Amino acid sequence: DTAVSQTPKYLVTQMGNDKSIKCEQNLGHDTMYWYKQDSKKFLKIMFSYNNKELIINETVPNRFSPKSPDKAHLNLHINSLELGDSAVYFCASSPQSEKLFFGSGTQLSVL
Amino acid sequence: GENVEQHPSTLSVQEGDSAVIKCTYSDSASNYFPWYKQELGKRPQLIIDIRSNVGEKKDQRIAVTLNKTAKHFSLHITETQPEDSAVYFCAASINSGNTPLVFGKGTRLSVIA
Repeated sequence: DTAVSQTPKYLVTQMGNDKSIKCEQNLGHDTMYWYKQDSKKFLKIMFSYNNKELIINETVPNRFSPKSPDKAHLNLHINSLELGDSAVYFCASSPQSEKLFFGSGTQLSVL
Repeated sequence: GENVEQHPSTLSVQEGDSAVIKCTYSDSASNYFPWYKQELGKRPQLIIDIRSNVGEKKDQRIAVTLNKTAKHFSLHITETQPEDSAVYFCAASINSGNTPLVFGKGTRLSVIA
């Protein structure tokens, strides 16, 4: 069984569109995250949720809106996609602020 | 907030040689230091971690050392093999509350057979 699963794996879309990425973890962790990995492989925290509550919201455009319906799910919705949004987005979960378990990533390409 | 610097950005070694990757951190309150390995097209995966109450930790061919005074920690891989080729990330966090891991920028390790 996959511990942290995210869909879709690949997402190709036009500028200006709205898209969502879904993430689910079956590890029973309280904390979930979204990280963005750019073309230079830099991993940068975007959001952190603890038990459905937003804990961290780094300097991310408000076109990005996370939603956590329950502590096992953290989805990411992106409005008005821009070229610079192209990256790999990783969902992750952890029992505390350590030992991140990453999803397999979603490669977003904005054309 | 925490800032993690990682060097080198790329590293090539001959198979069987050792590889060392170094990181420094800025927040003296950080007390948890994991290392992640990311193979091409895959997710980052934890390979070893160390807490601030320990100076060194080993797991087979990999070891991590921590110098709290100097605020730096290092990953050592001995007897490198081609399958060690990947991007390695160090990270640091305060293991309390909701402080997330802050990652270094990664080191691309190539092991040449």
